[in-house]
Amino acid sequence: EVQLVESGGGLVQPGGSLRLSCAASGFTFSTYWMHWVRQTPGKGLVWVSLINSDGSSTIYADSVKGRFTISRDNAKNTLYLQMNSLRAEDTAVYYCARDSRSGAICVFWGQGTLVTVSS
Amino acid sequence: QTVVTQEPSLTVSPGGTVTLTCASSTGPVTSDYYPNWFQQKPGQAPRALVYSTNNKHSWTPARFSGSLLGGKAALTLSGVQPEDEAEYYCLLYYGGARVVFGGGTKLTVL
Repeated sequence: EVQLVESGGGLVQPGGSLRLSCAASGFTFSTYWMHWVRQTPGKGLVWVSLINSDGSSTIYADSVKGRFTISRDNAKNTLYLQMNSLRAEDTAVYYCARDSRSGAICVFWGQGTLVTVSS
Repeated sequence: QTVVTQEPSLTVSPGGTVTLTCASSTGPVTSDYYPNWFQQKPGQAPRALVYSTNNKHSWTPARFSGSLLGGKAALTLSGVQPEDEAEYYCLLYYGGARVVFGGGTKLTVL
């Protein structure tokens, strides 16, 4: 069974940093592209970033480019999101998600971790 | 900035049929955008329903179907059930591995 478990969320002050983790199990982690998606409470889904299977290629939404860094450790079956220079508008539930076969994007999701940016 | 547009809300009667659409600000949606559809209920993570325009996942009920309609991606629910009341999101994949979600459609079954 595919399982994705996010952690690392919490309350952080504007300008601060936080690192999210997503522990994967139940599949061969190193085979799949992974994503971070966020959702402000009561609002829609917003795609944040993706990383290819070996970590050699990363893509970011314009809203986080230069502030967030996606990475992965295939030996530890873990996906990361390093978030720097956090702003109030980054407050959201952050989900990690896994692709499946070609064209099947964000098929499996974690339960999410809440990040609150506030003074 | 690329914008993906969905109907903000739709209402359907139980047993009825409803079509949700997904449009791109860049022009007509084609299969090259690999349209994906998701269902999200309150307090839950999204659940994938359809990928690559019209392919269902193994867990997707038969009453859900995806297509291209008039330059948009579409998700049709036939024989709507009360449990289908939820928010529905489309996703489009653009060149350079860029991914954009639509704003979501709140489907009410009434």
